Amino acid sequence: KQEVTQIPAALSVPEGENLVLNCSFTDSAIYNLQWFRQDPGKGLTSLLLIQSSQREQTSGRLNASLDKSSGRSTLYIAASQPGDSATYLCAVRPLIYNQGGKLIFGQGTELSVKP
Amino acid sequence: DAGITQSPRHKVTETGTPVTLRCHQTENHRYMYWYRQDPGHGLRLIHYSYGVKDTDKGEVSDGYSVSRSKTEDFLLTLESATSSQTSVYFCAISEEWERPRQGDHGYTFGSGTRLTVV
Repeated sequence: KQEVTQIPAALSVPEGENLVLNCSFTDSAIYNLQWFRQDPGKGLTSLLLIQSSQREQTSGRLNASLDKSSGRSTLYIAASQPGDSATYLCAVRPLIYNQGGKLIFGQGTELSVKP
Repeated sequence: DAGITQSPRHKVTETGTPVTLRCHQTENHRYMYWYRQDPGHGLRLIHYSYGVKDTDKGEVSDGYSVSRSKTEDFLLTLESATSSQTSVYFCAISEEWERPRQGDHGYTFGSGTRLTVV
């Protein structure tokens, strides 16, 4: 059974620091991996999607990497800002075609960036 | 979120009453999902649909039913609401191909419905 773990559960950093959020999964048979951001009381916003054949994706100050063989993904945030404060969720989509994907989520990392 | 809307955004209901939540999409995606989010449990799949009138159970389906009569609408019904169903409910949509491909946006989530059962 696929399990997704995110470490740390919470992280507090000063503004301007570069940081890395970690995600690990137990089964390497994945279709893709998706990073989301969730602000308090809000929905999930997709940040980056990495297909199983890709090693990384970049969007602005965000860079996500994927190492399927070791079951790991990292989300790198450069030059953090207070507006980056949110919960970051990692989700894996298993490689089972025609069954609707059914994302499996980690518990999230709650990030606080202090001015 | 663009292309997917949930209604209502907030609802308070009494124990034992039926409640229906609606999810509407304009993306013509095949797959639609209902999740609930609770502290300490994260996001858990309730039901999902892989086409019109094609639905299946997720990991926490007891007490819930769904219907999909049109591609764009996916309804979640709590047949007799209980306090344990107080939660935030999210709808999501996705597409799927035999192999991953460019242009895949993965899952898109709605803004959620906050349901309180008193």
